[in-house]
Amino acid sequence: SQQGEEDPQALSIQEGENATMNCSYKTSINNLQWYRQNSGRGLVHLILIRSNEREKHSGRLRVTLDTSKKSSSLLITASRAADTASYFCATDAHDGTSYDKVIFGPGTSLSVIP
Amino acid sequence: GAVVSQHPSRVICKSGTSVKIECRSLDFQATTMFWYRQFPKQSLMLMATSNEGSKATYEQGVEKDKFLINHASLTLSTLTVTSAHPEDSSFYICSAVAIGGYTFGSGTRLTVV
Repeated sequence: SQQGEEDPQALSIQEGENATMNCSYKTSINNLQWYRQNSGRGLVHLILIRSNEREKHSGRLRVTLDTSKKSSSLLITASRAADTASYFCATDAHDGTSYDKVIFGPGTSLSVIP
Repeated sequence: GAVVSQHPSRVICKSGTSVKIECRSLDFQATTMFWYRQFPKQSLMLMATSNEGSKATYEQGVEKDKFLINHASLTLSTLTVTSAHPEDSSFYICSAVAIGGYTFGSGTRLTVV
């Protein structure tokens, strides 16, 4: 199962520009997380934002959360070639059981051109 | 922080054979682990939830007889792909709930030839 959509599916920018990725989800959540994945590799946890938070910063990353619209955005400022990767949002979805499953969005493939 | 060790990182097997993937929580107890599958250029799809001491819960469309999950201890969950076929070739990742949140294994690249 997947949780909503991410847009854009692919994004290509010049080094130094900002990159914005959006994520929408369907169910109520406790928190939302963003992950990065380099090609063929494991996941790197970037940032977690709780449902009662609206904005969070970590270095060049800025995440917003709008629970009324069930959406989040990830902004990477002053992008670098090393930021080239796929980015996924993930939410813990309440499904009525005793645990919350983490469901991933379809992801955005970011290419930063030197 | 909490670490989940996943092995093997890569495996190539012949069609029709079975492959076992292990995930161990190294410094914490994981009563619940999650197994994901990721095809090339796609997102992670949750396959099943593994609960220590009880049967796993499978997502819709995932064959429980093909993907056997065992969670016999609080630190180990295994996923066995039985009678593997080329279409089972994928990246498999486990995840566990730790105090600080969810932690993921480094993944297993399965290639069935």
